[in-house]
Amino acid sequence: GEDVEQSLFLSVREGDSSVINCTYTDSSSTYLYWYKQEPGAGLQLLTYIFSNMDMKQDQRLTVLLNKKDKHLSLRIADTQTGDSAIYFCAALGDTDKLIFGTGTRLQVFP
Amino acid sequence: EAQVTQNPRYLITVTGKKLTVTCSQNMNHEYMSWYRQDPGLGLRQIYYSMNVEVTDKGDVPEGYKVSRKEKRNFPLILESPSPNQTSLYFCASSSAAVVDTQYFGPGTRLTVL
Repeated sequence: GEDVEQSLFLSVREGDSSVINCTYTDSSSTYLYWYKQEPGAGLQLLTYIFSNMDMKQDQRLTVLLNKKDKHLSLRIADTQTGDSAIYFCAALGDTDKLIFGTGTRLQVFP
Repeated sequence: EAQVTQNPRYLITVTGKKLTVTCSQNMNHEYMSWYRQDPGLGLRQIYYSMNVEVTDKGDVPEGYKVSRKEKRNFPLILESPSPNQTSLYFCASSSAAVVDTQYFGPGTRLTVL
């Protein structure tokens, strides 16, 4: 079945760019998502990309998809302390199930 | 306000004592699901429901039951909880299928002693 992997931690300085990476195994994944989880809260959808796209930009967020390598990344420009959270990558496979990665904890320091 | 609510938010119980975690959404969504979140494992789907009276197993259904008698409610039932069910549980809903934006509840932190 689908497997989605992320690194567990990322630490960046305020104002720098953050890049969170994700790899998935199912080449038939149609949609790929990025969710944000703030402390004590549920997940909030940040953005998603359809598999026929290479890139999607939404304000400070840029999603890059390399379908050949099955690699997805989320770039946050001008990272702020309010961006500190856990970021989950998720892939929608052909069974219509959403498979989540382990989450990457982003810590932003001043 | 569009939202998914869960109750209780926190629960400490003992092994074997049946419990129910409620989930309700006010968006008239057809699709609802339950996840558990464990450190290092991310979110894993327990059960999901495509519509009223239609439920199906997710990846980790053992030890759980669900029901979908009404569109808005999707309770999670632990008939005989065990310590390995200590986890953070999330309910989610979306309008038609999982491809649509899923809205998550705030989570229920369950501890089974």
